[in-house]
Amino acid sequence: QQQVKQSPQSLIVQKGGISIINCAYENTAFDYFPWYQQFPGKGPALLIAIRPDVSEKKEGRFTISFNKSAKQFSLHIMDSQPGDSATYFCAAGDRNQGGKLIFGQGTELSVKP
Amino acid sequence: DAEITQSPRHKITETGRQVTLACHQTWNHNNMFWYRQDLGHGLRLIHYSYGVQDTNKGEVSDGYSVSRSNTEDLPLTLESAASSQTSVYFCASSDRLYGTDTQYFGPGTRLTVL
Repeated sequence: QQQVKQSPQSLIVQKGGISIINCAYENTAFDYFPWYQQFPGKGPALLIAIRPDVSEKKEGRFTISFNKSAKQFSLHIMDSQPGDSATYFCAAGDRNQGGKLIFGQGTELSVKP
Repeated sequence: DAEITQSPRHKITETGRQVTLACHQTWNHNNMFWYRQDLGHGLRLIHYSYGVQDTNKGEVSDGYSVSRSNTEDLPLTLESAASSQTSVYFCASSDRLYGTDTQYFGPGTRLTVL
């Protein structure tokens, strides 16, 4: 069964703090690991993505850390802001599967001012 | 600008009725996907298509069908709506450009089955 397990389900962080969301996968054929951000009433949108040939990718305040041996990856949001309050989904895909993604259960992040 | 649209945005129907949700994209993407979003379950894949006349079942396809007659549209049909199909439905599209599998999502359709 191709599964992606995401934790925690919800997260409350103070403004300026670090938000950390974790995901674990089972299928070693996965070779693409994106994170999507979703605001209320909107569709998800790609935030940042990584491929397994690197262990870390950083874009601004957002960083993906990837541990291939543990089959885990995580999203770190540095200096979290109230505007980061949203639902975050991790996902995993196999390029041999034509772009299909398996999504995690989602994490609702609330950043308190 | 290219976009992906869904209609209707909200729909209330009764158990047993047939319902069709529309999805239209102007990205000219080959790949299109339908998901349902439920609290605690994230986004679950219902059906997907890699091109015209191609359709595939996803994780939760029972009770749903799709057809792909052109590149732009992938309508989702609930043959006989059930209360368990009350959910928010998202359509997405992607193209296999080198180095990316970015899926672009529509705004969603909130479906209530009474």
